Amino acid sequence: GDSVTQMEGPVTLSEEAFLTINCTYTATGYPSLFWYVQYPGEGLQLLLKATKADDKGSNKGFEATYRKETTSFHLEKGSVQVSDSAVYFCALSDQPPGTDSWGKLQFGAGTQVVVTP
Amino acid sequence: GAVVSQHPSWVICKSGTSVKIECRSLDFQATTMFWYRQFPKQSLMLMATSNEGSKATYEQGVEKDKFLINHASLTLSTLTVTSAHPEDSSFYICSALTSGATDTQYFGPGTRLTVL
Repeated sequence: GDSVTQMEGPVTLSEEAFLTINCTYTATGYPSLFWYVQYPGEGLQLLLKATKADDKGSNKGFEATYRKETTSFHLEKGSVQVSDSAVYFCALSDQPPGTDSWGKLQFGAGTQVVVTP
Repeated sequence: GAVVSQHPSWVICKSGTSVKIECRSLDFQATTMFWYRQFPKQSLMLMATSNEGSKATYEQGVEKDKFLINHASLTLSTLTVTSAHPEDSSFYICSALTSGATDTQYFGPGTRLTVL
């Protein structure tokens, strides 16, 4: 079955440092890939997504590129801020976009990121 | 953006009792909602897909008689944990899927259930 593997946390880094969170997946076909962020006390929020190979999702300075050849969707940000401290989840959907089943997500375990001043 | 609420945010109950958790989409209609369960320091596990006006679809291994889901309107889905036991203690999260071109999923803040 489908699965998502992401690097374990917590990841602790200083403000303005470069952040990378690795995410790899296994799936049949051509899944859509997502990064969600969960700030303390809040629900998950979609950070970015990519629906086909070589697509790059970007938002709030974060980027991730859908790499089919390496089955990866690593999240990067060039200069993190304290406000980026959160738990980040990589996820996939193996259902076609536009269908209700597209919302059925397979999540990775989550990576906690702690940014210190 | 769209908002999904859950009520209650936390609940403590005695073993053997039933607990109902509500999930509401506040400013949009959702024909499809999802219920997830999250264990400490672990990923979210999809429990079931809730479709308005029809029976929920449960994932393999999830007991449908224990986790009753009702999606009575386009803005409300409920999850009832029946005859709860300590092993049911967990963080339950719902999400609602918008329809149309955006196809975006919005998550509720979660409900912490503790069964004594």
